[in-house]
Amino acid sequence: GAGVSQSPSNKVTEKGKDVELRCDPISGHTALYWYRQSLGQGLEFLIYFQGNSAPDKSGLPSDRFSAERTGGSVSTLTIQRTQQEDSAVYLCASSFRRSGGVSTDTQYFGPGTRLTVL
Amino acid sequence: DAKTTQPTSMDCAEGRAANLPCNHSTISGNEYVYWYRQIHSQGPQYIIHGLKNNETNEMASLIITEDRKSSTLILPHATLRDTAVYYCIVSAWGDYKLSFGAGTTVTVRA
Repeated sequence: GAGVSQSPSNKVTEKGKDVELRCDPISGHTALYWYRQSLGQGLEFLIYFQGNSAPDKSGLPSDRFSAERTGGSVSTLTIQRTQQEDSAVYLCASSFRRSGGVSTDTQYFGPGTRLTVL
Repeated sequence: DAKTTQPTSMDCAEGRAANLPCNHSTISGNEYVYWYRQIHSQGPQYIIHGLKNNETNEMASLIITEDRKSSTLILPHATLRDTAVYYCIVSAWGDYKLSFGAGTTVTVRA
């Protein structure tokens, strides 16, 4: 079946511009996650959406970053007034998060958006 | 993430089995062992996970020791496309903030 898709795959922008990154999760998945990965670095959690619950925004590095998830499906990560340190690969993942039970949920990642801020 | 320890790198011959070790000596009873891999310039790819029992799927097998302090990911017949960084992580139900360590860089050679 179709996996997580992200667009654009690459984005080059100038410092100070705003950018929007899009994520289409796997159909039926209730949870959606955003991470970023800087060159040679590990994953950095940004934000988590689960159903209609309030998102966990604890990983957003500054108020220039925001994200929304419309209709419980597609999500957009927006970075305002981009800075060079925002350059990274932004990864989206989704999972079918059960409300109970003993099983954990597996996150499936998209291909990422490579953001370069000049 | 200091919960797991993996070798930095390993080589494997194409067509042979690749055995990737992971130590997680402080694992808690409710924590699963997950394996992901990341091929260059791609997003992380889920491979397999387990709690106590050994697991097998179309990609790999996961062998977890009885004390759960270590595990081994087995790629039964490595191909050149299996060249990637492999990450072993432990994650409990409710932990949704994944964190990858340095992983093991696996190079499959013809």
